[in-house]
Amino acid sequence: ETGVTQTPRHLVMGMTNKKSLKCEQHLGHNAMYWYKQSAKKPLELMFVYSLEERVENNSVPSRFSPECPNSSHLFLHLHTLQPEDSALYLCASSQDSLAGGYNEQFFGPGTRLTVL
Amino acid sequence: AQSVTQLDSQVPVFEEAPVELRCNYSSSVSVYLFWYVQYPNQGLQLLLKYLSGSTLVKGINGFEAEFNKSQTSFHLRKPSVHISDTAEYFCAVSAPYSSASKIIFGSGTRLSIRP
Repeated sequence: ETGVTQTPRHLVMGMTNKKSLKCEQHLGHNAMYWYKQSAKKPLELMFVYSLEERVENNSVPSRFSPECPNSSHLFLHLHTLQPEDSALYLCASSQDSLAGGYNEQFFGPGTRLTVL
Repeated sequence: AQSVTQLDSQVPVFEEAPVELRCNYSSSVSVYLFWYVQYPNQGLQLLLKYLSGSTLVKGINGFEAEFNKSQTSFHLRKPSVHISDTAEYFCAVSAPYSSASKIIFGSGTRLSIRP
């Protein structure tokens, strides 16, 4: 595997289900991200992990719970979601540093989530 | 803080015609600028980036962009498009000495190519 992989690619769940999205990066990066991409809306940054610590949480509802067990893996645990949470969830990684800003993010293919 | 505006949400173009996708940014400090492309059912991938130096930046797939500081713009161009260029294009901005998480994405421009 190369780059950033995400599983599953598609997920349909009911509002009472609990599921998890998985992301793995094979690039040796030290930062990982979750984004939500909804139709006709800008990309929304949800969570940022740098060196396995959560450094950003952009007012995301508690029904979304991230987990970063090591610098290569990132999970998004989902429970009691709403239909408006249906979207493409993108994972990304980058090499972060204090003098950064010039390093691009590398994205996975996304998980298309549908909440019924 | 930085912001970025993509002026066109959709751009239809005939195959083999030239195209320009517009991007304007706002920042009180110097900036780094990026263009990403998202093909259907895929994640975003980097087309090109401007960090410093020459204002004309060449990227993958025949795309190029020009940094214009006085007009605060970073428009993306291709002299002749192909059906395979059908995708959504995102302009993004970040600042020196900021975390990579501080990159700000535009709302995207959907490029549709007509045969």
